[in-house]
Amino acid sequence: DTEVTQTPKHLVMGMTNKKSLKCEQHMGHRAMYWYKQKAKKPPELMFVYSYEKLSINESVPSRFSPECPNSSLLNLHLHALQPEDSALYLCASSRGGIVQRGYNEQFFGPGTRLTVL
Amino acid sequence: SQQGEEDPQALSIQEGENATMNCSYKTSINNLQWYRQNSGRGLVHLILIRSNEREKHSGRLRVTLDTSKKSSSLLITASRAADTASYFCAAINGSGNTGKLIFGQGTTLQVKP
Repeated sequence: DTEVTQTPKHLVMGMTNKKSLKCEQHMGHRAMYWYKQKAKKPPELMFVYSYEKLSINESVPSRFSPECPNSSLLNLHLHALQPEDSALYLCASSRGGIVQRGYNEQFFGPGTRLTVL
Repeated sequence: SQQGEEDPQALSIQEGENATMNCSYKTSINNLQWYRQNSGRGLVHLILIRSNEREKHSGRLRVTLDTSKKSSSLLITASRAADTASYFCAAINGSGNTGKLIFGQGTTLQVKP
C-alpha cells in the first residue's frame, strides 16, 4: 500500500460544530504532516509529527487540534472554526522521522475540502 | 519566510513543446523537491535533487540545481495535455532536517492539445 488516504473528501460545517479530519498511511512512514491550502496558493505547513510526537506547530490557532493515535493515523480535530478556515486540508507522510536526512520526500493524500459556513 | 519563488507564475504551451519552470530560494538547502498538483487534488512528488547534485532526470523530467545562484529549474520535454497542472518547488533548510518543507508559489502550466 503506497498511498495516503484522507476522509472525508468534503466537509461542510457550521462555526459551532466539532468535526475531525482523518489521515491514514500504511507505508511505515514515521513522520506525518498537516497542511492547509487556499485556492491558487501553495500548501502551508500546520503541524509535523515525528515518531508519533508533535514536533512542529506553526503557531496554528487552538481551534485546530492534531492527534496522532499511532504511527499510521493522524487526526485533525476542528472546533469553533471561522469561515476563513475554509480550505483544502492536506495530509502527508515521509519515510524517516524528521531528524533523518535523505528521507524527506513527502507523500500526499488527496485532501479534505473544508467549507465553514 | 518564503523559501521558494517560482517563475513564470503561469505558462501556456502547445502539446509537444517543452516547458521550463524556474525556482529561486533564499537560504542554504538540504535538498530541493518538485511536486505536481492537479486542480483541487493532492500533491504528487516528482523528483528530489540533493544539494550536492547538479542535474537529475526522471522520464521526461529534467531538474537542475545551481546552489551558487540558489536556483533550480524543471524542464518537461514533449509536453502532453495530461501535464496540465500546478508545479511547486519545495525545500527544507540545509541547517537541519526539521521536516519543514516550504513551498514556492507555484507555476500553473496549461498544455493545449
